Amino acid sequence: DQQVKQNSPSLSVQEGRISILNCDYTNSMFDYFLWYKKYPAEGPTFLISISSIKDKNEDGRFTVFLNKSAKHLSLHIVPSQPGDSAVYFCAASVDSNYQLIWGAGTKLIIKP
Amino acid sequence: EADIYQTPRYLVIGTGKKITLECSQTMGHDKMYWYQQDPGMELHLIHYSYGVNSTEKGDLSSESTVSRIRTEHFPLTLESARPSHTSQYLCASSEGVSVPRQFFGPGTRLTVL
Repeated sequence: DQQVKQNSPSLSVQEGRISILNCDYTNSMFDYFLWYKKYPAEGPTFLISISSIKDKNEDGRFTVFLNKSAKHLSLHIVPSQPGDSAVYFCAASVDSNYQLIWGAGTKLIIKP
Repeated sequence: EADIYQTPRYLVIGTGKKITLECSQTMGHDKMYWYQQDPGMELHLIHYSYGVNSTEKGDLSSESTVSRIRTEHFPLTLESARPSHTSQYLCASSEGVSVPRQFFGPGTRLTVL
């Protein structure tokens, strides 16, 4: 049973517009959520995280929103740039010392 | 510069061969991890270590083995490679202090013929 789900395998967005990537989870014990970006044939790179005591965290063009009652989080990228084309993974952890549980990723394609 | 390294980046090998995938980090992290990842799928944890002489199997059953004799080094060994082992193998490390952020190496793309 997948505890972290990214239901959209791919997303296509026009350059300059907002990209919204979604992630749902089932385990209410998760208290850390992270987003990673991955290019083909490379390892994932960390983008942004949020703890369960917050509902929003912002870093430059990236903002993560957490809705605990809906067990849903989203990553907003504004404005979208061609270099943002990659696979985005959502991951969750029970606490800072535990392993990460990963979603299957969403492939983001930024169209010029 | 603190970093995490994996070698080789790409490996094509025949069935039955023994292989070792190397992973080293210069960040002094105690926690290290091996994941297996296929296109369109989540990262699956196959091994982890919380320090020297500590190794555990992850959620995904794997025929590979690992060792952790030094903090910075966490090699993964397959005694007899099979086509089902074809995948990308990702090594990561973390402090695990305030945020469970993991730092990843570039990965090894393994193809077993």
